[in-house]
Order: sequence, then structure tokens, then C-alpha cells
Amino acid sequence: QQQVKQSPQSLIVQKGGISIINCAYENTAFDYFPWYQQFPGKGPALLIAIRPDVSEKKEGRFTISFNKSAKQFSLHIMDSQPGDSATYFCAALARIQGAQKLVFGQGTRLTINP
Amino acid sequence: DTAVSQTPKYLVTQMGNDKSIKCEQNLGHDTMYWYKQDSKKFLKIMFSYNNKELIINETVPNRFSPKSPDKAHLNLHINSLELGDSAVYFCASSLKGLVRDTQYFGPGTRLTVL
Repeated sequence: QQQVKQSPQSLIVQKGGISIINCAYENTAFDYFPWYQQFPGKGPALLIAIRPDVSEKKEGRFTISFNKSAKQFSLHIMDSQPGDSATYFCAALARIQGAQKLVFGQGTRLTINP
Repeated sequence: DTAVSQTPKYLVTQMGNDKSIKCEQNLGHDTMYWYKQDSKKFLKIMFSYNNKELIINETVPNRFSPKSPDKAHLNLHINSLELGDSAVYFCASSLKGLVRDTQYFGPGTRLTVL
């Protein structure tokens, strides 16, 4: 099953708060899990990514937590800022005929209130 | 300098027409992709090309035909446009198409079929 389920669909957080977005997958063939950030009118851009042999990865205010046994991973944005307001997509990568296939979650529209 | 560029940015056309979207990357990447983002923001891969060779062809109507004249270009031609083709189409590229290569997305082309 090549699906990635993402929740919530939308999220409103106060400035300075923690934003948490969750994703789950079924296919154990996925072996890389990136998060993309998309601003209105722009293409998605890679934010942070994690391998399945790591339980957590942190880059600045952004942290991915990964639970391989539960097939779940989440993005935490600490000290959320209005500039973080965007749509966030989790994704999972599988290898197809030696090439990568990126499967996206449904997206979370994050709004940070000042 | 734009890494992945698409033209046009907006495309409005009538049902039944044939149209093309052009994509160019100046990153020296070997692999290029086309994605469709529907009105609910869901992103789904359509095609993947590696060194001008088709690698991934998702369940896309054969009215859609990608063409890669060289590895820096991947154009999308759509015949007999239908209302349901209205969406934002994103081109992307990655270095070798390996699992952990970052995909870089273009700014998107918003196609509206009337």
C-alpha cells in the first residue's frame, strides 16, 4: 500500500508555541522520509528528512521523530513563528527500478498567529 | 538563478485543446519528474525520467505525454484537455534519482481548463 496518511489537515498555533504534524505509512519498502514546506504560489521545498534507522533528527527549530515499529513519524516546530505559516507535506521514498518515487501525505496547512 | 523553471506560470484554455508545459533545470541533475497538485493540495507523481529515459509512469491518461529532448528538459504535452485536468503541475529534479537525493521543485504551472 503506497500511501502516507497525514494529520491534521489544518493547524493553528500561537506564536512561540509548538506545532506538531503526524504521518503514518504502511509500506515497509519506504526507506527515507522527507518533509516539504510549501508557501502559496511556490513549489514544495525540502525542509528536513530522516532515515528509518534514526529515531530523531533535529535541525534548528525543526525536529522529526520517527517510530519504525509503529510506522509513524512526526514533525515538531518549536517556537513557531508567523513566517512558518505554510503547507507542510510529509513524504516517503521508495525505490522503483533504481529511481526514487516520492509519495506525499495530504498536507497540513499551518497558521501561526502573532 | 532559477534552479528549476517552468513556463508558463499560468495557462487558461478551453476543453479539447492541446497544450504544453515546459520545464528546464540548470542543476546538472540526471532525473526529472512531473507532479500534479489538485485543488485539495494533494501532490501526486505522474512521471519520472532518468537521463531522458522514462522510469516511472503512474496511472496517467495517455493524453499526457512527457518529452525529454535532453536531460535538462522535461516537457509535458496534454492532448484533448478535460475539466479534470485543471490543477497545478510541478516539475522537479534530483541529482541521480537515488533514494536520498533531494528533489528540487519548480514554481508550478496553474492550468485552468474551461
